[in-house]
Amino acid sequence: AQSVTQLDSQVPVFEEAPVELRCNYSSSVSVYLFWYVQYPNQGLQLLLKYLSGSTLVKGINGFEAEFNKSQTSFHLRKPSVHISDTAEYFCAVEAGANNLFFGTGTRLTVIP
Amino acid sequence: DTAVSQTPKYLVTQMGNDKSIKCEQNLGHDTMYWYKQDSKKFLKIMFSYNNKELIINETVPNRFSPKSPDKAHLNLHINSLELGDSAVYFCASSRRAGNEQYFGPGTRLTVT
Repeated sequence: AQSVTQLDSQVPVFEEAPVELRCNYSSSVSVYLFWYVQYPNQGLQLLLKYLSGSTLVKGINGFEAEFNKSQTSFHLRKPSVHISDTAEYFCAVEAGANNLFFGTGTRLTVIP
Repeated sequence: DTAVSQTPKYLVTQMGNDKSIKCEQNLGHDTMYWYKQDSKKFLKIMFSYNNKELIINETVPNRFSPKSPDKAHLNLHINSLELGDSAVYFCASSRRAGNEQYFGPGTRLTVT
């Protein structure tokens, strides 16, 4: 069985500061990993994904994530956040059959 | 052009009623999904269809019945609505395993 843990339910950060949103997963098989962002009253939008290859993945809006197999982590980072980055961020794992397992989400609030 | 669309966006109804939510994707994807997002933002897959065939049916009450008339549409019918059905329901689609899922804007269902 697969599971995803996002330890931080809320992360407040000042504008232009760096941020890291943590994601750990467990799976007995190889996985694909995703980060999605949900802006208020909207659907989910893909930020980035890891399928294979380079463990450092770059996504939209200046976000990047690093896949660490030994630590079963896929943390999301941005060197300098903007007010518009305020949103809910979801880490997700897919391990076959197109079935995505989502974490419980991290609410990123950027403070002016 | 809207990639994944859902109607209605908001649905307010009384307990015991039957309602449907419609989903359409114009991406040419083979797989479509229904997710439920509860008040704590937790996202859980409900159903997955591949080329009009059910491939994932998570533990949901049999009051929920998905129907896929063609691979571009996946509708969700709910019988005898209960208070606990209040949530945001998201439709999504993907080309195949390992590809990102594209989400619709969501349907906020409120049962009174």
